[in-house]
Amino acid sequence: KAGVTQTPRYLIKTRGQQVTLSCSPISGHRSVSWYQQTPGQGLQFLFEYFSETQRNKGNFPGRFSGRQFSNSRSEMNVSTLELGDSALYLCASTGRWRGGETQYFGPGTRLLVL
Amino acid sequence: KQEVTQIPAALSVPEGENLVLNCSFTDSAIYNLQWFRQDPGKGLTSLLLIQSSQREQTSGRLNASLDKSSGRSTLYIAASQPGDSATYLCAVSGETSGSRLTFGEGTQLTVNP
Repeated sequence: KAGVTQTPRYLIKTRGQQVTLSCSPISGHRSVSWYQQTPGQGLQFLFEYFSETQRNKGNFPGRFSGRQFSNSRSEMNVSTLELGDSALYLCASTGRWRGGETQYFGPGTRLLVL
Repeated sequence: KQEVTQIPAALSVPEGENLVLNCSFTDSAIYNLQWFRQDPGKGLTSLLLIQSSQREQTSGRLNASLDKSSGRSTLYIAASQPGDSATYLCAVSGETSGSRLTFGEGTQLTVNP
């Protein structure tokens, strides 16, 4: 099976702009989660979607939003970008592994805000 | 609120050493605990998954233990190799948090040839 894919891999934006990141989960996986990784805050949970519905949400401002399509692909959007939004954004889909469930992570989208 | 702490933050060892990475969490109501590996600039790779009812899991040279009551987990790496150099992350999911993971800050491991 193909792994989790994320596009684009790298992105440079300026403050005030908006950005949309895309994630395609592993075939058959219906849950997609998004995380932000920064040197100062580490990995922080943004939100999780399951069957096109947001099931869980982290502690991020409303500028961060997401959605999931009927084919389980997901997008996240960040509006009015700030310098502090520069980060690696990781997407993960949930599937069975060794008797339990685990998250399969994509390679990430590295966003730089200037 | 669940908090996960990993000690040490960084570790440098010569090749062949056995080593232990530590993880602690504040809320024992976890669904499972996972250890991930992250190479520079890359995504995460799952190494071991321990369900809350289990005490340990093994995969090759890796062994992870879980003491849920004390809120601790250890990752043991036997006979370390330069290819083991990476950041190791511990993450827990709560009993009611679905797929949401709470991560520690990670331990950056360097294995010197």
